[in-house]
Amino acid sequence: EPEVTQTPSHQVTQMGQEVILRCVPISNHLYFYWYRQILGQKVEFLVSFYNNEISEKSEIFDDQFSVERPDGSNFTLKIRSTKLEDSAMYFCASSDRLRGETQYFGPGTRLLVL
Amino acid sequence: GQQLNQSPQSMFIQEGEDVSMNCTSSSIFNTWLWYKQDPGEGPVLLIALYKAGELTSNGRLTAQFGTTRKDSFLNISASIPSDVGIYFCAGLSGGYGGATNKLIFGTGTLLAVQP
Repeated sequence: EPEVTQTPSHQVTQMGQEVILRCVPISNHLYFYWYRQILGQKVEFLVSFYNNEISEKSEIFDDQFSVERPDGSNFTLKIRSTKLEDSAMYFCASSDRLRGETQYFGPGTRLLVL
Repeated sequence: GQQLNQSPQSMFIQEGEDVSMNCTSSSIFNTWLWYKQDPGEGPVLLIALYKAGELTSNGRLTAQFGTTRKDSFLNISASIPSDVGIYFCAGLSGGYGGATNKLIFGTGTLLAVQP
């Protein structure tokens, strides 16, 4: 069964450094999302992406964040200058319009900012 | 903002028991989804509900989309140890086919099953 994949599984970085989290959505999906989950908390929406542009973003998704679909398969989340509070699990998700936008999640990247 | 409240927060049950959890919202959602999350993993979709009043099963799991579109419940029958995890409800915010469909997640229900 097709699945969303994410790399790396874990990332440790110093505060102020840039990180890029990578995702390969399910191949025939058209809508892409990033969510994050701070340890012990619920999953929170960051951004949705469709037709090569951001369709919606949350207040968490400030100027330090950006997303890109650099080719036909990858979908990336960049954090320009990481802060301690960016430490979280970051999940990529994708959905197919024909299935009612049911979103399928990747296994996540655990980001730790020191 | 939109918030989904799940209850109970946690459940500790014996293997073989049935489980029921629910999710309520102050806002209407057009789609309800139930996910299970194992430690260190991403949410895995269990059941998707697309119509008010819809009752859908997936093996031992049954979920219903409330008629008011503001609530949903999930039942697990004859629980087994591998049912352990955190169960999240999620409401899809945005119109069908729209490009702004974000999921609003509930607070989660931690399920522990004792063999």
